Amino acid sequence: AQSVTQPDIHITVSEGASLELRCNYSYGATPYLFWYVQSPGQGLQLLLKYFSGDTLVQGIKGFEAEFKRSQSSFNLRKPSVHWSDAAEYFCAVGPMEYGNKLVFGAGTILRVKS
Amino acid sequence: DTAVSQTPKYLVTQMGNDKSIKCEQNLGHDTMYWYKQDSKKFLKIMFSYNNKELIINETVPNRFSPKSPDKAHLNLHINSLELGDSAVYFCASSQGQRSRGYTFGSGTRLTVV
Repeated sequence: AQSVTQPDIHITVSEGASLELRCNYSYGATPYLFWYVQSPGQGLQLLLKYFSGDTLVQGIKGFEAEFKRSQSSFNLRKPSVHWSDAAEYFCAVGPMEYGNKLVFGAGTILRVKS
Repeated sequence: DTAVSQTPKYLVTQMGNDKSIKCEQNLGHDTMYWYKQDSKKFLKIMFSYNNKELIINETVPNRFSPKSPDKAHLNLHINSLELGDSAVYFCASSQGQRSRGYTFGSGTRLTVV
């Protein structure tokens, strides 16, 4: 069965510092990969997604993620964090076949200190 | 314009009651979902409908019954509410059945007392 692991429950970074959130997945083939962000009391907003092709994908709000097949990873990065980036981030994987089901990781809470 | 809207946003009710949560999307998507986010923020799929047809039905108590009157609406009815049903319920939609990204509603926070 597919699964997603986000090893870091909490991460704290200083404003202006770089950020990397880790995501590892377990799946029999290359799935579709996603990062979502959830601000307090809000729904989930799609940051970026990977289906195929270039393994470095660009998303909204200056985020990017890199798919590494050999490591089954899809880490999210941002070169300079802003205070407004404080939120919870979820990595998700979905199958490429019928029976659409998005499976989420447990999330990583990002705190930004000024 | 709200893409996926859920009502109500907050719902506080007593154990044993029956309640419904409504979801509507105006994106023209043909697939809709209900996800449950527990107190630890873990998101788990409950149901999925494609063109009003149930295609995913995870291991969910049969007190939970989804209903899709048309492809733009997916409602969730819960009978005999229990304390453990307290959670945030998210509706989402997508085009097609190969998960190329969902659009989520803002969630319904259900508290059972």
